Amino acid sequence: AQSVTQLGSHVSVSEGALVLLRCNYSSSVPPYLFWYVQYPNQGLQLLLKYTSAATLVKGINGFEAEFKKSETSFHLTKPSAHMSDAAEYFCAVSDNAGGTSYGKLTFGQGTILTVHP
Amino acid sequence: DAGVTQSPTHLIKTRGQHVTLRCSPISGHKSVSWYQQVLGQGPQFIFQYYEKEERGRGNFPDRFSARQFPNYSSELNVNALLLGDSALYLCASSLIPGRNTEAFFGQGTRLTVV
Repeated sequence: AQSVTQLGSHVSVSEGALVLLRCNYSSSVPPYLFWYVQYPNQGLQLLLKYTSAATLVKGINGFEAEFKKSETSFHLTKPSAHMSDAAEYFCAVSDNAGGTSYGKLTFGQGTILTVHP
Repeated sequence: DAGVTQSPTHLIKTRGQHVTLRCSPISGHKSVSWYQQVLGQGPQFIFQYYEKEERGRGNFPDRFSARQFPNYSSELNVNALLLGDSALYLCASSLIPGRNTEAFFGQGTRLTVV
């Protein structure tokens, strides 16, 4: 079964600083990986996804993530944090479910990003 | 275009009662999934429906049930509510089920059981 571990439940950065949110995965097959963002009292919005094409994936709002198979990682980065980036971020892996491939998502515990002025 | 809509947005129920949550997918999407997000945790998969048939079920008790209608909208039912059922219930729709198919999430229904 697939699983996801997000290192650090809270990350705090200053406005303009680098954002790095860590995600490690476990999967018995080549994984499909996703990053979602959740603002307070809202649903989840897809930031980016890795589906075995380019290992460096660019997403919305200036975020990007790099798939590293040797490290089983899919860390999310942004060169310069904005106040509007403050939210909770979830890494997820899509289940292969054997031959069914119904796309169940397994999420990590989430990382709350705080951005200080 | 309307996104995924869920109703109600909030509700409060008493232990032992049952609840029905509703979800309308994005127009043209035929797959709906339900997730439970307990405060401080990531969402947990409950069900997936495609073309009105259950395609997957997570590790939830039989008190949880769901169905999908001919117009692809869906209901999640929870019987004999427990305090631990208090959570944000998220509905996600996608064109079809699939590992690399993007899931679009609704705003969620916040259920409080007292």
